[in-house]
Amino acid sequence: GAGVSQTPSNKVTEKGKYVELRCDPISGHTALYWYRQSLGQGPEFLIYFQGTGAADDSGLPNDRFFAVRPEGSVSTLKIQRTERGDSAVYLCASSLTSGRANEQFFGPGTRLTVL
Amino acid sequence: GDSVTQMEGPVTLSEEAFLTINCTYTATGYPSLFWYVQYPGEGLQLLLKATKADDKGSNKGFEATYRKETTSFHLEKGSVQVSDSAVYFCALSSGGSNYKLTFGKGTLLTVNP
Repeated sequence: GAGVSQTPSNKVTEKGKYVELRCDPISGHTALYWYRQSLGQGPEFLIYFQGTGAADDSGLPNDRFFAVRPEGSVSTLKIQRTERGDSAVYLCASSLTSGRANEQFFGPGTRLTVL
Repeated sequence: GDSVTQMEGPVTLSEEAFLTINCTYTATGYPSLFWYVQYPGEGLQLLLKATKADDKGSNKGFEATYRKETTSFHLEKGSVQVSDSAVYFCALSSGGSNYKLTFGKGTLLTVNP
């Protein structure tokens, strides 16, 4: 079956611009996560959705970052007034349900470059 | 807060060598432990996991044992292959409000023929 997909795979933008990154989770997965991976680092948690609601957004670095999941499936991560420090690979993951033992399935990521 | 410390890389081995990648953790609560692998050009995928103390996770010849007394989850393989070349991430999930994964920095493994 289809895995987690993310679009675009690469995004180059200029400082100050607005970007949207899209995630299509595995069908039927209720839990969805966004992570950010900087070069040479492991992924870092940004936000967690259970269904349509953002159950925990404590990892978002500041109020320029926002994410939605209006119908409990596709999610969009939105970054306003991008800065060079936002350059990273943004990963989306989904799992069938929430739980500390549940496997999270990752998408291929969107590589964001802010010039 | 939660944190994971894993062996710094890169690690370079010859085919059929023994592999150990060390991983230790600190966690609030009782975590589940994971090893994820990222092959060149591919996304992160789960390699193995263990959900309670003394559990052994295993897959594709890799093993790791959940050691609560030493807060460790070291990855081992008895005989590596060229196809095992990848970046390996140790991670934990301690539940709480979000079940997020907390990752180590990753260890790049290169296996030469």
